[in-house]
Amino acid sequence: KAGVTQTPRYLIKTRGQQVTLSCSPISGHRSVSWYQQTPGQGLQFLFEYFSETQRNKGNFPGRFSGRQFSNSRSEMNVSTLELGDSALYLCASSMGSLRDTKDTQYFGPGTRLTVL
Amino acid sequence: GQQVMQIPQYQHVQEGEDFTTYCNSSTTLSNIQWYKQRPGGHPVFLIQLVKSGEVKKQKRLTFQFGEAKKNSSLHITATQTTDVGTYFCAGRAGSARQLTFGSGTQLTVLP
Repeated sequence: KAGVTQTPRYLIKTRGQQVTLSCSPISGHRSVSWYQQTPGQGLQFLFEYFSETQRNKGNFPGRFSGRQFSNSRSEMNVSTLELGDSALYLCASSMGSLRDTKDTQYFGPGTRLTVL
Repeated sequence: GQQVMQIPQYQHVQEGEDFTTYCNSSTTLSNIQWYKQRPGGHPVFLIQLVKSGEVKKQKRLTFQFGEAKKNSSLHITATQTTDVGTYFCAGRAGSARQLTFGSGTQLTVLP
């Protein structure tokens, strides 16, 4: 099985711009979770999508949004970029069954976003 | 909200020495997962622990889940340079699906 793929791998933007990141989960996985990783804050949960619906959300401002398509691919959007948004954005896919709290997440390689 | 603390933040060991990282949760966990992230890479799933007092081994790695299901540890015996990376624990509380990650322990192995 192919792993989780994320595009683009690297991105440079300037303050005030917006950005869209893409994630394709492992085939058969219906849940996609997004994380922000920075040296100071570690791995911070952004949100989880399942069957095109946001199922969980972390404590991030409304500038961070996402969506999921019928083929389970997901996109994450950050509007009005700030310097502090520079980070590695990781997506993770899993089977996603609500009753399965032992669901394992498999991470993609991430998108390295630099905001200048 | 749920918090997962992990110590130490950094650990430098000589190749061949043992290494342990500890994870403590503010709430009882339904399960805990461990991930390894190599420098420049992404987190890779290592193992999941579910039962109270559970111990699992993967070659030189030993994972433990505390009796109260609020703490966990990862022990590496006789470290090798291939063990270099950051080790994260991630826990789920109750019936929640969301994983809360520890801050990670960055392991450096000196040859």
